[in-house]
Amino acid sequence: EAGVTQSPTHLIKTRGQQATLRCSPISGHTSVYWYQQALGLGLQFLLWYDEGEERNRGNFPPRFSGRQFPNYSSELNVNALELEDSALYLCASSLGRGKSYNEQFFGPGTRLTVL
Amino acid sequence: DAKTTQPTSMDCAEGRAANLPCNHSTISGNEYVYWYRQIHSQGPQYIIHGLKNNETNEMASLIITEDRKSSTLILPHATLRDTAVYYCIVSVNAGNNRKLIWGLGTSLAVNP
Repeated sequence: EAGVTQSPTHLIKTRGQQATLRCSPISGHTSVYWYQQALGLGLQFLLWYDEGEERNRGNFPPRFSGRQFPNYSSELNVNALELEDSALYLCASSLGRGKSYNEQFFGPGTRLTVL
Repeated sequence: DAKTTQPTSMDCAEGRAANLPCNHSTISGNEYVYWYRQIHSQGPQYIIHGLKNNETNEMASLIITEDRKSSTLILPHATLRDTAVYYCIVSVNAGNNRKLIWGLGTSLAVNP
């Protein structure tokens, strides 16, 4: 069974540009989560999508946005990049809402560097 | 803010049991305790979770105190590959919405 996949592995952008990160969940999973992990810090919850809708959002500015497609894959878009956006961006998937628990399976992450 | 507190770092000898503590004194009655680990620069890996009963799987055991204010993750025979940051997380329930709030975890070093 294929795990969660993310692309690209590494992404280098300059300040003010936009970045698009992609995630494909495990087959059968309808929930996708996005996290930011800055160097040396814990994971910060960004967004949760389920069945194509945004279900929950962390304390991030509106320039962090995303969407979930009918096949449950997801995109994270970061506009007007700032230097402090440099981080490892992790995507996770799980069974959807109403399930008895939320065991999240993580992808390998996208390392975003803003110069 | 994370609802859990964990020691910053721990050491364990290879082949011995690693006991990782976690305090979650403000946990609510319907919140679960989850444990994940993250090996350097990889995505976190789910280990185990529980509500009030002790749990065991092929990776680890989870012991939750009767008052649910703390728990211990036990790796029965630690190997070098168990060197990682271990996160103890309490799930936040808001209706049907759940999100995991991550702290800084415990950096476990398994030594030969």
